[in-house]
Amino acid sequence: SQQGEEDPQALSIQEGENATMNCSYKTSINNLQWYRQNSGRGLVHLILIRSNEREKHSGRLRVTLDTSKKSSSLLITASRAADTASYFCATRPSTGGGNKLTFGTGTQLKVEL
Amino acid sequence: EAGVAQSPRYKIIEKRQSVAFWCNPISGHATLYWYQQILGQGPKLLIQFQNNGVVDDSQLPKDRFSAERLKGVDSTLKIQPAKLEDSAVYLCASSLRQGGDTQYFGPGTRLTVL
Repeated sequence: SQQGEEDPQALSIQEGENATMNCSYKTSINNLQWYRQNSGRGLVHLILIRSNEREKHSGRLRVTLDTSKKSSSLLITASRAADTASYFCATRPSTGGGNKLTFGTGTQLKVEL
Repeated sequence: EAGVAQSPRYKIIEKRQSVAFWCNPISGHATLYWYQQILGQGPKLLIQFQNNGVVDDSQLPKDRFSAERLKGVDSTLKIQPAKLEDSAVYLCASSLRQGGDTQYFGPGTRLTVL
């Protein structure tokens, strides 16, 4: 079963604009990760935020985590055409499950020139 | 550093046939995962290996799917017999250790069952 749900399902913006996508999940987590998947290719790890962190930055990426609301957001600033991809959040449970990641349904981002 | 290798990249079979996918993880990575990604959905974990032992196969349809990692390195995922609903991309991933947070994914094998 899918743990997380991303919102929106699809997002289309102009190059240079910011893109924000959200993830909601259901159970307690150890960490939450964001992955990017280009069309027809495997997933690439972008950023990880732990349950005791509220915000994290990596280059043009900013991730926030609100464990009280069981939600996270990914902000991509100054978007580029190369950012066009599907973005997935994935959660690791706080108890048990080894390193099992449960992925959300994804947000399809299209950045137009 | 070489990434996760998978083969074949594409496979088309008819229902009730058998198919096998191969994965070679990043050198030194103890943990290996197989995921199924149906079009429009996120990846779903099928099986997780720690070295050559199974850690989690709770979502593996064991009546038709099997996987092995005999020497703790390469892995093979088999479907026998295939059903139409098995059409998906099969992704292999590896991580340095069981508690390693970052998983590195291969390009996947796109399976079409006709």
